[in-house]
Amino acid sequence: SQKIEQNSEALNIQEGKTATLTCNYTNYSPAYLQWYRQDPGRGPVFLLLIRENEKEKRKERLKVTFDTTLKQSLFHITASQPADSATYLCALVPFSGGYNKLIFGAGTRLAVHP
Amino acid sequence: DAGVTQSPTHLIKTRGQHVTLRCSPISGHKSVSWYQQVLGQGPQFIFQYYEKEERGRGNFPDRFSARQFPNYSSELNVNALLLGDSALYLCASSLVTGGGTDTQYFGPGTRLTVL
Repeated sequence: SQKIEQNSEALNIQEGKTATLTCNYTNYSPAYLQWYRQDPGRGPVFLLLIRENEKEKRKERLKVTFDTTLKQSLFHITASQPADSATYLCALVPFSGGYNKLIFGAGTRLAVHP
Repeated sequence: DAGVTQSPTHLIKTRGQHVTLRCSPISGHKSVSWYQQVLGQGPQFIFQYYEKEERGRGNFPDRFSARQFPNYSSELNVNALLLGDSALYLCASSLVTGGGTDTQYFGPGTRLTVL
């Protein structure tokens, strides 16, 4: 069956450290993979997109890698801050032939402690 | 510029009732998608509409329906509500459809509670 798995346990890290979140998928051939941030009671906010032929993408303190052989994406936040505390969702975009269907994982909650 | 807006913010209904949720996309965006997010899970795709036509449908029963209006706003309707329909309903707008690289902008959601 098709699955997208993110670490269900919260990730607790110290301010200033690098947070690394994992997204694994099975039985999908995604065209793209996206990462979103979601705060409690709010809608997801788009952070980064990486294509299936790209290995790495960076934006300020954020870095995403995409390994189609391992069927895994890693999301890194360097020099983490308490304001980075949120739930982070990965979403696959399959080769759907014409519409934007995002398939989300359950998300990983990140808590950055001062 | 205003982001995606949704109404109402919260809604409480009883089993068997019907509900209508509304969404206004970002100005200039022609595509609206609806997602259901149950507590502790990621959003699940329900529908996408583009230029007033349904372009994609997720694995939801026929009790769920939607439409898009000429001004690109959208309504999601759910009939014969079940307890399991309790969730945060998210609307997302994007400029166009297809391609997968088109950024989707989510609204704050409507929290539906079915008693």
